[in-house]
Amino acid sequence: GAVVSQHPSRVICKSGTSVKIECRSLDFQATTMFWYRQFPKQSLMLMATSNEGSKATYEQGVEKDKFLINHASLTLSTLTVTSAHPEDSSFYICSATIGSNQPQHFGDGTRLSIL
Amino acid sequence: AQSVTQLDSHVSVSEGTPVLLRCNYSSSYSPSLFWYVQHPNKGLQLLLKYTSAATLVKGINGFEAEFKKSETSFHLTKPSAHMSDAAEYFCVVTNSSYKLIFGSGTRLLVRP
Repeated sequence: GAVVSQHPSRVICKSGTSVKIECRSLDFQATTMFWYRQFPKQSLMLMATSNEGSKATYEQGVEKDKFLINHASLTLSTLTVTSAHPEDSSFYICSATIGSNQPQHFGDGTRLSIL
Repeated sequence: AQSVTQLDSHVSVSEGTPVLLRCNYSSSYSPSLFWYVQHPNKGLQLLLKYTSAATLVKGINGFEAEFKKSETSFHLTKPSAHMSDAAEYFCVVTNSSYKLIFGSGTRLLVRP
């Protein structure tokens, strides 16, 4: 149980392209989803917290107009990297939880490479 | 503020020998603590969690961790390492908003 599916697993695209990443909870309803960014050989950095039906809460230093988050249902959140540039290349990971103080269940991540 | 320190960036063991991954935490209240494992180019898998019940927590794949309040530690152990245990391990504490605060990670290498 508690499976989170993240798609696509890898994206390679040209600079200036917008890229959408989907995060789905397959067998539970996720009231809250999180988006993380991970640089090579580093830990995860929380980008934003997404609650179903409301606006995402972004961490300090994360551009909300650059990283658009939508959480339209209890099983789906999307992250759109708008007008991506090479410095946006990274490993993006989502997680989902049924509620506060409950374990977060992680997707397998999306490797984004901007040429 | 909550924080977590993983004392070793790399740990190397031989297959069949014990594993010890060290973690110290700082928290202004009774924390929830987790260990997650990440295999290359994958997301994170929950190994075990501590939420103020038993201080010795058993997880998946033979791992366990002991919460020691007096030492503010939550070290991860396994009696006998397998090759498949080679991965990155993260010790994690929650803050008052239930966000995860990650340690810097420990890369476990298992030698044949």
